[in-house]
Amino acid sequence: GENVEQHPSTLSVQEGDSAVIKCTYSDSASNYFPWYKQELGKRPQLIIDIRSNVGEKKDQRIAVTLNKTAKHFSLHITETQPEDSAVYFCAVPALRAGNMLTFGGGTRLMVKP
Amino acid sequence: DTEVTQTPKHLVMGMTNKKSLKCEQHMGHRAMYWYKQKAKKPPELMFVYSYEKLSINESVPSRFSPECPNSSLLNLHLHALQPEDSALYLCASSQEATGGNGYTFGSGTRLTVV
Repeated sequence: GENVEQHPSTLSVQEGDSAVIKCTYSDSASNYFPWYKQELGKRPQLIIDIRSNVGEKKDQRIAVTLNKTAKHFSLHITETQPEDSAVYFCAVPALRAGNMLTFGGGTRLMVKP
Repeated sequence: DTEVTQTPKHLVMGMTNKKSLKCEQHMGHRAMYWYKQKAKKPPELMFVYSYEKLSINESVPSRFSPECPNSSLLNLHLHALQPEDSALYLCASSQEATGGNGYTFGSGTRLTVV
């Protein structure tokens, strides 16, 4: 089945610094790579996604990069702000689950003011 | 309307109770999902409905019974739950039943089984 590994599990940065979270997957046929942000007590929200035909996508302070050969993709947050503090999940379609999204273990990001 | 609405937001039930969780979306999405999320863990897929038919059951115990009355509604019927079933239950929807689109999640029902 699809293995989705996410690192680090916790990340603490100073406000204004950059944060990078990495996700590796096992199924080379995967073609869609979203990132979700979940604030404490709230729903997961899609913040950015990328498809396998592009290598990078940006949306203001966040970006996602994809390396299909190495089977990993990363979330980049620049100029971090306290409101970026949350748990971030990567997800990959999992063949064993009918190609439904399977989530990585999550990264707790803490941005210190 | 770009939201998935779940009710109730909180539910406390005894192990002999029967209760139902409800989920509603009006985005015209043809796929709806139930996920279970334990504290400090990622969401785990339970059920997938595609065009109102159950397409995936991730080996969920029969004490959880999903139902999709129409394309906008999804229910999860609960009966004889165990304390370890306490979790956040998230409903989600997407245009099609595939991992190739982003899912829109509801706010969840926080379930406590006593």
